[in-house]
Amino acid sequence: DTGVSQDPRHKITKRGQNVTFRCDPISEHNRLYWYRQTLGQGPEFLTYFQNEAQLEKSRLLSDRFSAERPKGSFSTLEIQRTEQGDSAMYLCASSTTTGLNTEAFFGQGTRLTVV
Amino acid sequence: AQSVAQPEDQVNVAEGNPLTVKCTYSVSGNPYLFWYVQYPNRGLQFLLKYITGDNLVKGSYGFEAEFNKSQTSFHLKKPSALVSDSALYFCAVRAYSGAGSYQLTFGKGTKLSVIP
Repeated sequence: DTGVSQDPRHKITKRGQNVTFRCDPISEHNRLYWYRQTLGQGPEFLTYFQNEAQLEKSRLLSDRFSAERPKGSFSTLEIQRTEQGDSAMYLCASSTTTGLNTEAFFGQGTRLTVV
Repeated sequence: AQSVAQPEDQVNVAEGNPLTVKCTYSVSGNPYLFWYVQYPNRGLQFLLKYITGDNLVKGSYGFEAEFNKSQTSFHLKKPSALVSDSALYFCAVRAYSGAGSYQLTFGKGTKLSVIP
């Protein structure tokens, strides 16, 4: 499968625990995005990487959230001290750098449930 | 700030009938517009995009969308609906340039139900 891959698909954690998600973008896509989707809402932008550089961060990304893309390939999103409000689907997407007019390809997401 | 409105939470249409899913947007400058579809327990799948040029854009699975600059709309259409088109549809906008130009802003989504 050459699409965007996310792991795990589902994560249940207790409030206060830390969680980490992984995203493997489409090979040779140097742009990578993280979005969050809650029930009944569209995806909301969290952060964006071009290669290993994190170029944009949403105000939604509190200091409990950190994202990395250390070698410009896969990315991780870590949430520290999880709260019930963090329960959502976390989506990763990737695209090429042919200007701004390229569509993003999304993974199937990681569904986080904080209990 | 850019925004997208999808005024209908749900659209019901009989199989074989034409369908329209509405979208209006707000963005500074020229927009890049996209439609995505989401099936249950699946990620978002790209359907089509408007960048520039012809206002009628054709995409996957027989879908098309019409860009109307004066009405700031980008409605999704299909001449003949299939039961398999039943899914959640999202409209999204990206600014042409400037702050936020790398991020997609999505609408809340419209649930399309095609009735056999």
